[in-house]
Amino acid sequence: GENVGLHLPTLSVQEGDNSIINCAYSNSASDYFIWYKQESGKGPQFIIDIRSNMDKRQGQRVTVLLNKTVKHLSLQIAATQPGDSAVYFCAESGWSGANNLFFGTGTRLTVIP
Amino acid sequence: KAGVTQTPRYLIKTRGQQVTLSCSPISGHRSVSWYQQTPGQGLQFLFEYFSETQRNKGNFPGRFSGRQFSNSRSEMNVSTLELGDSALYLCASSPGGGLYGSYEQYFGPGTRLTVT
Repeated sequence: GENVGLHLPTLSVQEGDNSIINCAYSNSASDYFIWYKQESGKGPQFIIDIRSNMDKRQGQRVTVLLNKTVKHLSLQIAATQPGDSAVYFCAESGWSGANNLFFGTGTRLTVIP
Repeated sequence: KAGVTQTPRYLIKTRGQQVTLSCSPISGHRSVSWYQQTPGQGLQFLFEYFSETQRNKGNFPGRFSGRQFSNSRSEMNVSTLELGDSALYLCASSPGGGLYGSYEQYFGPGTRLTVT
């Protein structure tokens, strides 16, 4: 895959368990955060986003938590399924109105059937 | 709605050549951003175009350039290719941005460029 050369954090979970993927960001001025999922051979797929005026947002089976005090973002996946196996990236963007995302290195999630 | 499309999907070039990649955004989206993804550097922002103007630029040399047409389709060009330019080049489209900040970006499948 595209991230083979990177020392990616890895997370292995049993099917049906909940997964928590963490991300630290560096720019305290970042206003907008997104989680992406990337499967081998595909482009990143949008999962969920959150703005800096929120600390939690929920989607279908996913929750994003934002802690601005420690500049930390997490993605929680409920009842993890084999199809959730992928590399997950967090990305941040500033309040510039421009769409330049800065991506983390990613976490490889492996779901064990 | 059709997703973001990129052409070609795969490309092999030799050092010193130039290459042009194409991206068609989601219908109605006015912003197109380009990213380079490599095993060593991960995903890095190249530039963003909005309403035919480059609105933001990452830290890449001038060999990397782009443009956007009136129908929001975008091209990026890399001149004088180097081995290190081998990467997956991703295009992302977004409704826009501006007063309301950034919006979610939707990525295409990418163009895999190999430089030999």
